[in-house]
This record gives sequence, C-alpha cells and structure tokens, in this order.
Amino acid sequence: DTEVTQTPKHLVMGMTNKKSLKCEQHMGHRAMYWYKQKAKKPPELMFVYSYEKLSINESVPSRFSPECPNSSLLNLHLHALQPEDSALYLCASSQDPGRLAKNIQYFGAGTRLSVL
Amino acid sequence: GQQVMQIPQYQHVQEGEDFTTYCNSSTTLSNIQWYKQRPGGHPVFLIQLVKSGEVKKQKRLTFQFGEAKKNSSLHITATQTTDVGTYFCSGSQGNLIFGKGTKLSVKP
Repeated sequence: DTEVTQTPKHLVMGMTNKKSLKCEQHMGHRAMYWYKQKAKKPPELMFVYSYEKLSINESVPSRFSPECPNSSLLNLHLHALQPEDSALYLCASSQDPGRLAKNIQYFGAGTRLSVL
Repeated sequence: GQQVMQIPQYQHVQEGEDFTTYCNSSTTLSNIQWYKQRPGGHPVFLIQLVKSGEVKKQKRLTFQFGEAKKNSSLHITATQTTDVGTYFCSGSQGNLIFGKGTKLSVKP
C-alpha cells in the first residue's frame, strides 16, 4: 500500500473559521510533510515532521498550526486564514528523512481549500 | 540558498514528437527526483537519480543526471496524449526543492 490519504478533498471556509486538514499513511514512513501549491506553481514546503517531531517550519504564519499525533497521522489546523491562503494543500510522506536513497516522497491527493 | 531551475516552462507538441525538459541547480545535488502531476492531480514519483552521469529508462522516458550532479534531463520519445501533465524535477540536499515544472500538452 503506497497510499497517502487526505481529508477533506475540498474545503470552503470563512476568515473567522477554524478547520483542520487530515493526512494518514500506513506505510511505516517516519517523515511527513505539508506543502502548499498555488495554481501553475510547484509545491512549496511548509512543514516537515521527522519521527513525530517538527523538524522544519519554513517560516509559515502562525495561522497554520501542524500537529503529528502519531507516526501515521498528520494534521494541519487552520485559523483566521486569508483569501490568499486559498490553494491545494498536499501532504506527503517518506520512509526515512535521514537516508538518502529512501527520501522518495509519496503525495496524497490534496485538499483544495478556498478561503472566502 | 539552493535553487533548482527548470526549462522550458511550457511545451506544446504534436502526438508522436519527442519532448525534453531540463533541470539545473546552483549547487551540487545529493540526488534528483522527477515527478509528474496530471491536470487536477497530485505529484506522482517517477524516478530518482543518485550517481554522477546516471541514465535510467522507463519505457519511452529517459532520465539523465549530469556528471557534476548539477543538472538533469527527462526525455520522452514519441509522446502520447497520456503524457500530458506537468513534470517537476526536485533536487535534494535533505528536503526536496522543486523546480517550477514544465507543462506538457500533446495535440492528438
């Protein structure tokens, strides 16, 4: 099973709402990632969790709050977002971030977020 | 910081024509990965190149890693409509840094 599952597939929220994006993998991968992708742009790294600990935060605004409850789950909590935050949010996982030959990333289908 | 440049940004070809996208890094890469993203889809891993001068083939796709490990190319022979999508290279010095991608359209 090489699947990374993201829910919901689509999300519309107002600027005062609080919502969460969820990501799950059962491949035994120990690194999980959040990316943001705007239309016609490459994925842009937001956060990296290695062994359930936050290892990279690419200067992401605090209105995005990641959480890794266990090695299979990754959440992204959203609060007070802006319309410019509308994008495709991709989750990915890789086997072992510390080993060169094993950092192939498997992406989920993404959550398409619209902020009104 | 590390940058990965990718050209061309767009490529329109007639079905059956060949296609090549090029990727260049400002620094030496540990490895390079190629991903394909279909319209409305998500990036899907194609291949990873690790060794200097490495060449790998997947059916009609040929991937090459430069001798200096700073550049790479993806060549598709005799494109088909199923090849449509955006091809991203991604350089690794730990985490992935994506090139801007080449969007391929194929006219039947």
